[in-house]
Amino acid sequence: DGGITQSPKYLFRKEGQNVTLSCEQNLNHDAMYWYRQDPGQGLRLIYYSQIVNDFQKGDIAEGYSVSREKKESFPLTVTSAQKNPTAFYLCASRDSQSTDTQYFGPGTRLTVL
Amino acid sequence: QKEVEQNSGPLSVPEGAIASLNCTYSDRGSQSFFWYRQYSGKSPELIMFIYSNGDKEDGRFTAQLNKASQYVSLLIRDSQPSDSATYLCAVNPPMGSARQLTFGSGTQLTVLP
Repeated sequence: DGGITQSPKYLFRKEGQNVTLSCEQNLNHDAMYWYRQDPGQGLRLIYYSQIVNDFQKGDIAEGYSVSREKKESFPLTVTSAQKNPTAFYLCASRDSQSTDTQYFGPGTRLTVL
Repeated sequence: QKEVEQNSGPLSVPEGAIASLNCTYSDRGSQSFFWYRQYSGKSPELIMFIYSNGDKEDGRFTAQLNKASQYVSLLIRDSQPSDSATYLCAVNPPMGSARQLTFGSGTQLTVLP
């Protein structure tokens, strides 16, 4: 099956901890994205990567970090510097070869205890 | 001014009626337009994309684009209770722009049985 997987589905973080959210895709897409969604709100772009070993900050990058060592993988680390990390995190990849459509993974719900 | 604006709703329609969802965008050079459906607690899923002025139909869904008015809409015919969800409008910037896909904050639709 082709698609985007995210793990874990639910994640709980204690104050002061760093946590890493996984995102993997087997769609052969070059571009990948991380969004944050708060209850009743739209999507806000955290980081994006157009190609392996390159990534750019989005609108709300403070307190987050990413890496793109492989085309298939784009993990997001939520650091202790992110003061209000409780949210729904969505990973997406983009089909830039044909329709230019973004497809989303199932999401990770992060809660700070 | 927000780059992509949608009425937040909630929009309620009776079962079998036509639901009309509207979206305006600010960047006149925007190239492509997407509608996503998001059920509560789930990730967004693509319904339709449209690139050219006019109508594009797919089953019960019709996307309408008017670039001169910077307006894109989604019509859902014969609305079903299963259509109850939040609908996100997304706009791709002009080619060569450093900006990424921009999402509206979504319109919550409820179809009443």
